[in-house]
Amino acid sequence: QKEVEQDPGPLSVPEGAIVSLNCTYSNSAFQYFMWYRQYSRKGPELLMYTYSSGNKEDGRFTAQVDKSSKYISLFIRDSQPSDSATYLCAMSPYSSASKIIFGSGTRLSIRP
Amino acid sequence: GAVVSQHPSRVICKSGTSVKIECRSLDFQATTMFWYRQFPKQSLMLMATSNEGSKATYEQGVEKDKFLINHASLTLSTLTVTSAHPEDSSFYICSARDSWADYGYTFGSGTRLTVV
Repeated sequence: QKEVEQDPGPLSVPEGAIVSLNCTYSNSAFQYFMWYRQYSRKGPELLMYTYSSGNKEDGRFTAQVDKSSKYISLFIRDSQPSDSATYLCAMSPYSSASKIIFGSGTRLSIRP
Repeated sequence: GAVVSQHPSRVICKSGTSVKIECRSLDFQATTMFWYRQFPKQSLMLMATSNEGSKATYEQGVEKDKFLINHASLTLSTLTVTSAHPEDSSFYICSARDSWADYGYTFGSGTRLTVV
């Protein structure tokens, strides 16, 4: 079993739809949870990060963490064609020098 | 925000030669940098953790003699692919964290290596 599981998609939705991206994990030591967006042939770009359980909102993006269920989500409201990319969840234990474990990434396509 | 510069963005080399990739933290100091490898349509695979002033820590299955990592300063880490072969062709990405900023690692733009 992988430490982090993420549905690879692809996921295709119409413009303006609400997108829900999810990851599950098995390591209870994870404390920091991140979402990265990666465009083709580019390095990942940090979108959101949260510490422990709870919600965090930034513009059209909302990140949720449920540590009891070992489940994290990223919601994108009013999705735009420019949101089309691969979204990677990532997690790490507390230590700032800890390595990050990535999900496999979900390919998202927003149809105009 | 924190910026990580990675060069070159693309390189083509002949089989048997060595290639060096640079990763620089432009506006912060990074005692730790990470090197990843990514195959098409796959996620990032951690290769090694680069520690300033000490030896890198390699993940299981990664050949340390083939992928040489040097982290000689707080702003620069290099990855050298030695005696490159076509199977080393991949997308290599570095990342670093600004310890004074909010948690979250910044990634370089990646290097597309093609060995012919």
